[in-house]
Amino acid sequence: NAGVTQTPKFRVLKTGQSMTLLCAQDMNHEYMYWYRQDPGMGLRLIHYSVGEGTTAKGEVPDGYNVSRLKKQNFLLGLESAAPSQTSVYFCASSYEWDTYNEQFFGPGTRLTVL
Amino acid sequence: GNSVTQMEGPVTLSEEAFLTINCTYTATGYPSLFWYVQYPGEGLQLLLKATKADDKGSNKGFEATYRKETTSFHLEKGSVQVSDSAVYFCALSRSNTGKLIFGQGTTLQVKP
Repeated sequence: NAGVTQTPKFRVLKTGQSMTLLCAQDMNHEYMYWYRQDPGMGLRLIHYSVGEGTTAKGEVPDGYNVSRLKKQNFLLGLESAAPSQTSVYFCASSYEWDTYNEQFFGPGTRLTVL
Repeated sequence: GNSVTQMEGPVTLSEEAFLTINCTYTATGYPSLFWYVQYPGEGLQLLLKATKADDKGSNKGFEATYRKETTSFHLEKGSVQVSDSAVYFCALSRSNTGKLIFGQGTTLQVKP
């Protein structure tokens, strides 16, 4: 039982390049989330999904796209990377959509945009 | 709007010292409150939670009480260990939603 995994762990991009971050979970969770973590700002929600084939915008969605074609996978795309997208990205999943449910986090992807 | 404010870090303590990390929140409705911990090089993991006023969450010697009258959820531990060195995040989940709102995080360093 691997929990939540993220690929890749590290990536360096040049401004304008594109990339996709992959998140996979093996807990059969319905709900998945992408966050970014910046110094002094905690984690901020980028996009989330309430089920296979669904996506929704979070707090900071601009410059990102997501897809949830399979229940276990949640992809985060950057079409044209900018230095402001330099951050650590975390994926999370949860079993239910309610106020007291725990989220399970992956180990993170550290992205640098030059 | 909804927000979470934590005390600024870093917090540096000697082993066996008493720990308090302050957390206050602003929220509509009846949020649940959480403390997540991030050990070096890892993702976040749930440390404890409380789902209604006056509830006390506890785990691994850490405790926090949901105080609605002061809108606070301070994290405490009576005797910290070097292995407690990590970043601690306070978070809230608003009523009828699974989305979390995080504080900025507080770095704790415990020295032997």
